[in-house]
Amino acid sequence: GAGVSQSPSNKVTEKGKDVELRCDPISGHTALYWYRQRLGQGLEFLIYFQGNSAPDKSGLPSDRFSAERTGESVSTLTIQRTQQEDSAVYLCASSILVGTEAFFGQGTRLTVV
Amino acid sequence: DQQVKQNSPSLSVQEGRISILNCDYTNSMFDYFLWYKKYPAEGPTFLISISSIKDKNEDGRFTVFLNKSAKHLSLHIVPSQPGDSAVYFCAVSAGGTSYGKLTFGQGTILTVHP
Repeated sequence: GAGVSQSPSNKVTEKGKDVELRCDPISGHTALYWYRQRLGQGLEFLIYFQGNSAPDKSGLPSDRFSAERTGESVSTLTIQRTQQEDSAVYLCASSILVGTEAFFGQGTRLTVV
Repeated sequence: DQQVKQNSPSLSVQEGRISILNCDYTNSMFDYFLWYKKYPAEGPTFLISISSIKDKNEDGRFTVFLNKSAKHLSLHIVPSQPGDSAVYFCAVSAGGTSYGKLTFGQGTILTVHP
């Protein structure tokens, strides 16, 4: 497809379980970002990848959160031992170059029960 | 410490009138500014951007103004249409070690009444 694709679109998980969220960026985009939006709040930066450079992980809220990206393609965001406060919409975006216009996917709505 | 603030959580405007959305930032190192629009259950979509070397950028009904001395950014929509009703986020990025990280404001809910 032409846009950023995220899967699953919805995920309900039990507290304490691990979850993995997937993002397929736009082909040719070297930069990939993860954000989350909790209910009633703005977009919270988590991590970004730029080519083969070390990712900027400064927004990851705890060591339960990790992300990987294979080259300039798919990225996965993993949350271990999920907590209820992890419930949010997790948004992935990509851009041709870091710092330029980023194009977002539709997000994964994560609900931890 | 919020580096980007949208102080109006909501704005209501009559169709055909001008909508003005505001955004303030604290860090003078920010040099690229963007506006996004978000409908419910969708990801944000890019609207318009401006770099720090300019003070105005226009695209159709949308104009972004940048006042660097005041660290203030605004988005003007004229004429406003009901389909413009959405949440609007401003975003900023900076050079140096923070380069690339888009920092977003909290968003302003715009409602355009027919």
